[in-house]
Amino acid sequence: DQQVKQNSPSLSVQEGRISILNCDYTNSMFDYFLWYKKYPAEGPTFLISISSIKDKNEDGRFTVFLNKSAKHLSLHIVPSQPGDSAVYFCAAINQAGTALIFGKGTTLSVSS
Amino acid sequence: DAGITQSPRHKVTETGTPVTLRCHQTENHRYMYWYRQDPGHGLRLIHYSYGVKDTDKGEVSDGYSVSRSKTEDFLLTLESATSSQTSVYFCATWGDNTDTQYFGPGTRLTVL
Repeated sequence: DQQVKQNSPSLSVQEGRISILNCDYTNSMFDYFLWYKKYPAEGPTFLISISSIKDKNEDGRFTVFLNKSAKHLSLHIVPSQPGDSAVYFCAAINQAGTALIFGKGTTLSVSS
Repeated sequence: DAGITQSPRHKVTETGTPVTLRCHQTENHRYMYWYRQDPGHGLRLIHYSYGVKDTDKGEVSDGYSVSRSKTEDFLLTLESATSSQTSVYFCATWGDNTDTQYFGPGTRLTVL
């Protein structure tokens, strides 16, 4: 059973607007979450992370929000740029702290 | 960037042949991982290593074996390749003093 879920396979946004990518998890013991970005023919690259002791983490245009009671996190990109078009993966560190559990990814397309 | 290289970057092989993919890192990270990425499935963990000669299975380990004889090298072997193993394979590392995984550029494997 999927422990990290990204229920939207794709998202289309206009340049300058906000992109909101969502992620849900099932295990309440998860306490650290990461977002990765992946361009075609490249490996995923780390984007931003959040610990369960926080409900928000911001880095430039990227903000991740964590709602522990709902087991939900979201990545906000403001303003969106065409170069943000990529696949975004949400991940959680497993309980043993030894590996990441990834969602299936959301493909973001930002049009100019 | 954790100085991760993968070889080969592309390979086409036939069903039933053995295949070995190599991951090399220069950062002395303790943990190393092999993932496969497939449409609709995101990134799935095949095997991982938490030290020289110490390995463990991931979510989709059937048909794969791994070896780690040196800190910097992690090999993934398909003993007898099948068409279902056609995929893009990513290696990743995780150091003790980092809270993110770093990914290599990927190997695209096609099994005919």
